Amino acid sequence: EVQLQESGPGLVKPSQSLSLTCSVTGYSITSNYWGWIRKFPGNKMEWMGYISYSGSTSYNPSLKSRISITRDTSKNQFFLQLNSVTTEDTATYYCARYYYDGTYYYSVMDAWGQGASVTVSS
Amino acid sequence: VQMTQSPSYLAASPGESVSISCKASKSISNNLAWYQEKPGKANKLLIHSGSTLQSGTPSRFSGSGSGTDFTLTIRSLESEDFAVYYCQQYNEYPPTFGAGTKLELK
Repeated sequence: EVQLQESGPGLVKPSQSLSLTCSVTGYSITSNYWGWIRKFPGNKMEWMGYISYSGSTSYNPSLKSRISITRDTSKNQFFLQLNSVTTEDTATYYCARYYYDGTYYYSVMDAWGQGASVTVSS
Repeated sequence: VQMTQSPSYLAASPGESVSISCKASKSISNNLAWYQEKPGKANKLLIHSGSTLQSGTPSRFSGSGSGTDFTLTIRSLESEDFAVYYCQQYNEYPPTFGAGTKLELK
């Protein structure tokens, strides 16, 4: 059974970078697509981006200049970096696996981590 | 694509049936998923492709709709169903979510 776990600082200062790790067990990140999603206070959810089994990435245009998703296949982990954060980046950040039906990958998340709460404040 | 969910809050009793609506700002074919969120647990994919139950989703859950109007129906509510439900479209990039519906115990 695949399990995902987010980790990283819970408090980040404005203008600094937010860095989170998603540790995956029970499934190789060299298979499938892996994404980051965040939920703001008030429950609005935003898809942030993904990294594929080959290492290719795609990002939400709203974040494109600030976001980077990378991976370490030897540790079966992938990472989120969000630069120049403001208080509006305060959210719970989730990592997730994309759904694969054996033929196609869909932008549907069939396994999620429990989320990491990040507050941006000085 | 903007996704509008309603209602935002819904109170019901075990055994009742409830429906949650999700409307897209443009046609998304049947490329819609429903998720369940519960405190302290990982989000759960319930339904994809508008009406296809994900493995492990109880049969009391059903999804319907296509184009712009979708509905999640839960029949014979059980205590474990009280949670927050989100819809998400994946027809267009970037994927977008509804604002959520909190299903509470009456």
